[in-house]
Amino acid sequence: EAGVAQSPRYKIIEKRQSVAFWCNPISGHATLYWYQQILGQGPKLLIQFQNNGVVDDSQLPKDRFSAERLKGVDSTLKIQPAKLEDSAVYLCASSLTGLGNTIYFGEGSWLTVV
Amino acid sequence: GESVGLHLPTLSVQEGDNSIINCAYSNSASDYFIWYKQESGKGPQFIIDIRSNMDKRQGQRVTVLLNKTVKHLSLQIAATQPGDSAVYFCADQYSSASKIIFGSGTRLSIRP
Repeated sequence: EAGVAQSPRYKIIEKRQSVAFWCNPISGHATLYWYQQILGQGPKLLIQFQNNGVVDDSQLPKDRFSAERLKGVDSTLKIQPAKLEDSAVYLCASSLTGLGNTIYFGEGSWLTVV
Repeated sequence: GESVGLHLPTLSVQEGDNSIINCAYSNSASDYFIWYKQESGKGPQFIIDIRSNMDKRQGQRVTVLLNKTVKHLSLQIAATQPGDSAVYFCADQYSSASKIIFGSGTRLSIRP
């Protein structure tokens, strides 16, 4: 079974530029998550989708971050304009719907803002 | 409030010994607890989980213990191997929100 796919794996941009990350979840997983993981910290949930609807985006900095999952499968996370503090790993994850279903993570997209 | 914490940021264990990684949580309403392992440069990998109606669950070389009285969770790894070197995260999920909250992690290192 294919896992969660993410691209690009690595990205270096200058502050105030924009960047987009793509995620393809495990086939059949209705729930998709984007997490931000700053070095030395645990992952922090940015946004959670159920099919193409947003379930939770309470910790998404909406002035600069946006995410969509238009067809309920793939998702993109965009940052515009980027700040130095956005340097982190952006992890996409997916699961079947409901409590207790295992969440599977991708390898992450590493962002460095200089 | 929503928080999950770990007692120690680092743990060093002799190869072959058992490892015990501890975690405290604050919300008594948490219904589901998960342990993840994250190796360098990779995403978190599911290890084992436990529901709040259980106090112990065993997997292959791993055991999770849940003490709801003191809101404490632990992960025991038997016969620790070099491949167990990683950062271990505990996380909890509320039945009402289905949002997983991660702690800050414990780095496990293995001494030969």
